[in-house]
Amino acid sequence: GNSVTQMEGPVTLSEEAFLTINCTYTATGYPSLFWYVQYPGEGLQLLLKATKADDKGSNKGFEATYRKETTSFHLEKGSVQVSDSAVYFCALSPMNTGFQKLVFGTGTRLLVSP
Amino acid sequence: DAGITQSPRYKITETGRQVTLMCHQTWSHSYMFWYRQDLGHGLRLIYYSAAADITDKGEVPDGYVVSRSKTENFPLTLESATRSQTSVYFCASSELGQGSHGYTFGSGTRLTVV
Repeated sequence: GNSVTQMEGPVTLSEEAFLTINCTYTATGYPSLFWYVQYPGEGLQLLLKATKADDKGSNKGFEATYRKETTSFHLEKGSVQVSDSAVYFCALSPMNTGFQKLVFGTGTRLLVSP
Repeated sequence: DAGITQSPRYKITETGRQVTLMCHQTWSHSYMFWYRQDLGHGLRLIYYSAAADITDKGEVPDGYVVSRSKTENFPLTLESATRSQTSVYFCASSELGQGSHGYTFGSGTRLTVV
């Protein structure tokens, strides 16, 4: 079946450190891949997405590259800020066409200290 | 205001009472979803709806009822609340046939059953 595995948190970093949050997936066909971010007390917001192999999604300094050969979609940021503290969810949509329910990972909490 | 709104933001209810959580979206998205978020479980799908008058069960539907008489509204009812239903509930919506676009989430309802 379809599934998403994320690294367990919390990930604790100092401001300006490099961030990587690992995400791997299992899916049939060619899924679309997403990263969502949830700030404290809020709902999930779409951070970035990629719809085919080798695509790079980017937004707000975050990047993730769709790697079909390693079935991965790791989230990276070169220099984190305190305001990036949040929970990050990796997700996949099993097909690019037609409607499919999103499959979420369990989330990774990021804590950034000044 | 455009968007997806949930009400109430916070609710405390007693065991055995019926409680309804409201969700309203202004985009006329065909698909709507209810998730619950619990520590250690991430996001779990309760129910979803593909259109008005069409609903289907997700992973954890027991104890919940939904209806969708109008495209823009998707209320979730706990028929007889239990302590295990203490959680944060998120509503989301998505366009038909746009699996690559992901979902848009509301801000959530924090429900406490005492």
